[in-house]
Amino acid sequence: KNEVEQSPQNLTAQEGEFITINCSYSVGISALHWLQQHPGGGIVSLFMLSSGKKKHGRLIATINIQEKHSSLHITASHPRDSAVYICAAPRTGANNLFFGTGTRLTVIP
Amino acid sequence: EAQVTQNPRYLITVTGKKLTVTCSQNMNHEYMSWYRQDPGLGLRQIYYSMNVEVTDKGDVPEGYKVSRKEKRNFPLILESPSPNQTSLYFCASSLMGDVREKLFFGSGTQLSVL
Repeated sequence: KNEVEQSPQNLTAQEGEFITINCSYSVGISALHWLQQHPGGGIVSLFMLSSGKKKHGRLIATINIQEKHSSLHITASHPRDSAVYICAAPRTGANNLFFGTGTRLTVIP
Repeated sequence: EAQVTQNPRYLITVTGKKLTVTCSQNMNHEYMSWYRQDPGLGLRQIYYSMNVEVTDKGDVPEGYKVSRKEKRNFPLILESPSPNQTSLYFCASSLMGDVREKLFFGSGTQLSVL
């Protein structure tokens, strides 16, 4: 069983919709990364958070360490948001990362 | 421009022929790491380094070597590549020797081992 589970695996949305991607983990962690990978392969870090909520433009990330859950929200989605979104976390006290398998988001105009 | 530079972008080689994928960052970052990405398996960490001369294994280190002789460079070495090492490889770095900092990724190296 993967230590990090993302849902959904695939998501298709109409432009303008509010989108939520979830990440749940089964081991203790102290922080979590949200990454974005566009077709063509490049990976960009969106957020690193260890508590509460962070916002950047139309993107919002939340985390609840005790409940072992994080969410990534996209407000007013746009076709340029189409990408694979990946969560990643280090185990508590460790410096190696383990990853979710990603959520493929397609936003249709 | 602050960046992580990987070379080459594409590489086709044959089984057993030693190769090196280079990774360099110009941000004075302490933490550097290598990952491979495979369909259905996602990203997996190969090796990481928290500072010069300090390296440690990730989840899938078999068949790979790394070195960190200088802060800016973290090459990935495949001494005897095999077809199961065909994959998309990424290098990443972060400021402190701690993976809880923002990560900066290279543009990736698509490796095919025939």
